[in-house]
Amino acid sequence: QKEVEQNSGPLSVPEGAIASLNCTYSDRGSQSFFWYRQYSGKSPELIMSIYSNGDKEDGRFTAQLNKASQYVSLLIRDSQPSDSATYLCAVKVTNFGNEKLTFGTGTRLTIIP
Amino acid sequence: EAQVTQNPRYLITVTGKKLTVTCSQNMNHEYMSWYRQDPGLGLRQIYYSMNVEVTDKGDVPEGYKVSRKEKRNFPLILESPSPNQTSLYFCASSPKYRDRGVSGNTIYFGEGSWLTVV
Repeated sequence: QKEVEQNSGPLSVPEGAIASLNCTYSDRGSQSFFWYRQYSGKSPELIMSIYSNGDKEDGRFTAQLNKASQYVSLLIRDSQPSDSATYLCAVKVTNFGNEKLTFGTGTRLTIIP
Repeated sequence: EAQVTQNPRYLITVTGKKLTVTCSQNMNHEYMSWYRQDPGLGLRQIYYSMNVEVTDKGDVPEGYKVSRKEKRNFPLILESPSPNQTSLYFCASSPKYRDRGVSGNTIYFGEGSWLTVV
């Protein structure tokens, strides 16, 4: 089982609709969870971080975390063509000061005008 | 401006010819790491460093070396490159855990280095 799993997509969503991206992780000791957006050939850009169960909203983005189910999701409301990108889920485990950030393979999202 | 700078950005080299990809950050971050990104495999950590002279293997360290002689620099060394090391490489840095404060766990990525080994 992969440490961090995402559907690779592509996920196509009409402009203005809600895009829902999902991620599961295997290490129950995971403490921090991140969503990165990556345009083709560019470096990842942090969109959201979440550390405790529940929802965290930032503008059009909402991250949801359920540690019992080992599940984290990202909702993008009022999707725009500029949201078309690959979204990477990342999970961090910290042990004795050492950190490991593990990425999923990413979900390719296309917003259809 | 906060930056992680990688060089070269693009390189085509031949099998066995040693090369170094440099990485430098101007944010006084303790933590630096190298990732490679391949289609279908995502971002995989090669090596990381918690501070000067402290380095450790990530998930895919074979064929790579690193050094951390200064806080700002973390070069990636391919002693004898092979075609399976053709990839997109990212350097990243972040503050030490206890120093993150309101900035949280922001990790800053370099722009990437496209490496082709023929």
